[in-house]
Amino acid sequence: AQSVAQPEDQVNVAEGNPLTVKCTYSVSGNPYLFWYVQYPNRGLQFLLKYITGDNLVKGSYGFEAEFNKSQTSFHLKKPSALVSDSALYFCAVGGSSNTGKLIFGQGTTLQVKP
Amino acid sequence: KAGVTQTPRYLIKTRGQQVTLSCSPISGHRSVSWYQQTPGQGLQFLFEYFSETQRNKGNFPGRFSGRQFSNSRSEMNVSTLELGDSALYLCASSLAAGPQDGTIYFGEGSWLTVV
Repeated sequence: AQSVAQPEDQVNVAEGNPLTVKCTYSVSGNPYLFWYVQYPNRGLQFLLKYITGDNLVKGSYGFEAEFNKSQTSFHLKKPSALVSDSALYFCAVGGSSNTGKLIFGQGTTLQVKP
Repeated sequence: KAGVTQTPRYLIKTRGQQVTLSCSPISGHRSVSWYQQTPGQGLQFLFEYFSETQRNKGNFPGRFSGRQFSNSRSEMNVSTLELGDSALYLCASSLAAGPQDGTIYFGEGSWLTVV
């Protein structure tokens, strides 16, 4: 069965510093991996996805993620954090190639302080 | 290009009532999925529809049901509402059958409060 783990409930970082939000996954077959962000009282906004190809995926708002097959990780990164990046971040894995079903991690709250 | 549209955005229902939530996917998208988000359980998959057929169903009681119309619009229904059904219900749409075929986009959600 597929699963996703986000080991940190909250990540605190100072504005201008690099940020990392961690995600590990367990899946049989090829992983389809996603990152979404949720602002208060809003839906999920797509940041980036890994389907195949380059291990470094670039996404929206300056975010990127590194796919590491040996460590089964897909950590979200940004070189310089902004206060406006403060939100709830979800990592998700797609179940298989013929379904749009996503399995989500529990979410990580990112707090960027000025 | 309009995004995924969910209506209503907010609603309050009484225990025992039923509720219908609507989702209009992005134009051209044929796959629609529904998720329930609660503080305790996080994001949980409800069901997925593709070309009017339910392809997957999550581990929810039969009170939760859905359907998809020929124009890809989808509705979900919850009957005999319980307090625990209070949640944000999110709809997602994608172009085709699987994640490799396109990005999965979410709507703003429908906030359901059961009193």
